Amino acid sequence: EVLLVESGGGLVKPGGSLRLSCAASGFTFSSYSMNWVRQAPGKGLEWVSLISSSSNIIYYADSVKGRFAISRDNAKNSLYLQMTSLRAEDTAVYYCVREINDYGDYRRFDPWGQGTLVTVSS
Amino acid sequence: DIQLTQSPSFLSASVGDRVTITCRASQGISSYLAWYQQKPGKAPNLLIYTASTLQSGVPSRFSGSGSGTEFTLTISSLQPEDFATYYCQQLNSYPRAFGQGTKVEIK
Repeated sequence: EVLLVESGGGLVKPGGSLRLSCAASGFTFSSYSMNWVRQAPGKGLEWVSLISSSSNIIYYADSVKGRFAISRDNAKNSLYLQMTSLRAEDTAVYYCVREINDYGDYRRFDPWGQGTLVTVSS
Repeated sequence: DIQLTQSPSFLSASVGDRVTITCRASQGISSYLAWYQQKPGKAPNLLIYTASTLQSGVPSRFSGSGSGTEFTLTISSLQPEDFATYYCQQLNSYPRAFGQGTKVEIK
């Protein structure tokens, strides 16, 4: 079974830092690009960041650029999101998501982890 | 950056109704569009990708169509388990933007 399990969420003060982790299992992690997507309470989905399979391509949403850093450890089947200078508007459930890209087409996000809640508040 | 606009944002329908949700892209995205279903407190679940390819295990009452800038998700006969929020997503370029969502509620 393909599984993604996030951890590391919690309550942090504005300006603080937090590191999210995502443990992958059931597939060849090193063959896939991975993404973080977030969802603020009662709001829609917001794509946050991508890292390619070999970490040579990285993208960020403008809203987190310069504050968040995505990384991965293929030997440990793990994805990370280092979040710094956190703001109240970063409060959200953060999802780890695999990106599938068959033959350059048939692109989709699947599966999604269960999410981890980050709350930024004093 | 590409923006996606879904319509309607809210939809009230009855069991058995045919439901159509539209997603418009601010520029052409070929067929690189996916649809997701999300139920309260749960992660999104992939329904359709490449505009019209049904994800394995998804009931055939779900279908997708379109290319370029206009896309539709159709539920041919709404079932009780289909009441949820639906999101479109473009995978033509980064950022991988999502539509704002369409909430389907029971009439």
